[in-house]
Amino acid sequence: EIVMTQSPATLSVSPGERATLSCRASQSVSGNLAWYQQKPGQGPRRLIYGASTRATDIPARFSGSGSGTEFTLTISSLQSEDFAVYYCQQYDNWPFTFGPGTEVEI
Amino acid sequence: QVQLQESGPGLVKPSETLSLTCTVSGASISYYYCNWIRQSPGKGLEWIGYMYYSGSTNYNPSLKSRITISVDTSNRQFSLTLNSVTAADTAVYYCATGGGFAPEFWGQGTLVTVSS
Repeated sequence: EIVMTQSPATLSVSPGERATLSCRASQSVSGNLAWYQQKPGQGPRRLIYGASTRATDIPARFSGSGSGTEFTLTISSLQSEDFAVYYCQQYDNWPFTFGPGTEVEI
Repeated sequence: QVQLQESGPGLVKPSETLSLTCTVSGASISYYYCNWIRQSPGKGLEWIGYMYYSGSTNYNPSLKSRITISVDTSNRQFSLTLNSVTAADTAVYYCATGGGFAPEFWGQGTLVTVSS
């Protein structure tokens, strides 16, 4: 099973600032990597798939990059609605696995 | 607008069977993968398994002997059965579909507690 790790566990930022979240896979997942945002009481919301393709209706301030084992989610200018937990997920190898999440807080 | 809604008992006794149903509105689930994923404080997000409308399935090896996923495309529903539950199966259970193996549509989740 591929183990996903994320750093940092918590990221403290101010509105308008840039946030950079990292995700690492224990072995290569090629570009088969997705990012999700989750707010309390809600299911995850897909932000990015294919490592860098923004999902439908996702604002352009969200961008993904990376391949192989190292990936990054960047939020260029944080808005108040962006404070949430972010998860990466690999779908290259079954069972598909998620990282433990990064909480973006004020 | 595609919406998913999980339904089922919120409390299951140890050693009994957990059964959940996901009802999809706003889209046909034909040609979609129908996924069950759970989230617990101890294990985070865990992919339980999926079924394709054609009937092919893939189950997480850690749960494989206890899981059944079925799909009813005509009623836009898919279901999860998990046998011989223990406290470790206490979690919020999500159904998700669309978008291949990076699901686009998710339910809001349903909390299932295993306790006597």
